[in-house]
Amino acid sequence: SQTIHQWPATLVQPVGSPLSLECTVEGTSNPNLYWYRQAAGRGLQLLFYSIGIDQISSEVPQNLSASRPQDRQFILSSKKLLLSDSGFYLCAWNLAGGPNEQFFGPGTRLTVL
Amino acid sequence: AQKITQTQPGMFVQEKEAVTLDCTYDTSDPSYGLFWYKQPSSGEMIFLIYQGSYDQQNATEGRYSLNFQKARKSANLVISASQLGDSAMYFCAMSPFMNYGGSQGNLIFGKGTKLSVKP
Repeated sequence: SQTIHQWPATLVQPVGSPLSLECTVEGTSNPNLYWYRQAAGRGLQLLFYSIGIDQISSEVPQNLSASRPQDRQFILSSKKLLLSDSGFYLCAWNLAGGPNEQFFGPGTRLTVL
Repeated sequence: AQKITQTQPGMFVQEKEAVTLDCTYDTSDPSYGLFWYKQPSSGEMIFLIYQGSYDQQNATEGRYSLNFQKARKSANLVISASQLGDSAMYFCAMSPFMNYGGSQGNLIFGKGTKLSVKP
């Protein structure tokens, strides 16, 4: 069966510091991968998606970036965090060619101070 | 542009009763998918149910059913026999087009409804 992992689970970082959040998927090949952010009490906002290695599309202009160095690894990064980057970050996957339900990881709660 | 509207910020239901969570959507795409997710306080998004725009019958998954009214562009979630563990945020979501042929299948989410089940 497929599983999706995210780490770290929680993170507290100062403004201006770098960020690296990692997401990995097990039990499937060539998944579509997604990064979402959820601000407190709000819905999910799609940040990035990827349909393959080194194929990244950005949905929202911001100081974040994403990379996919391996088929089942998706990384969210920032060189300098802003206060507005605080939130709950969720990684998700689905398979091309099938129904669109996405399966989510446990999430990373980021607080920027 | 695609949009999901959930008009109920919060709902209360008595344990063992049924509850309906509202969702309306807006899209110009001829084919699309509709989804409901549950988010408990732990934060994880749990997929509940899916309805394709060309599906003739309403989707059902255990105690969850989706009341799909295409002409009204509504996709309400019905939870029967509510349980205390159903207390959570519920999100309606839509994909702009079906994921056939390698599309990325982005999901567009509503703002959610917080359901509280009372004992």
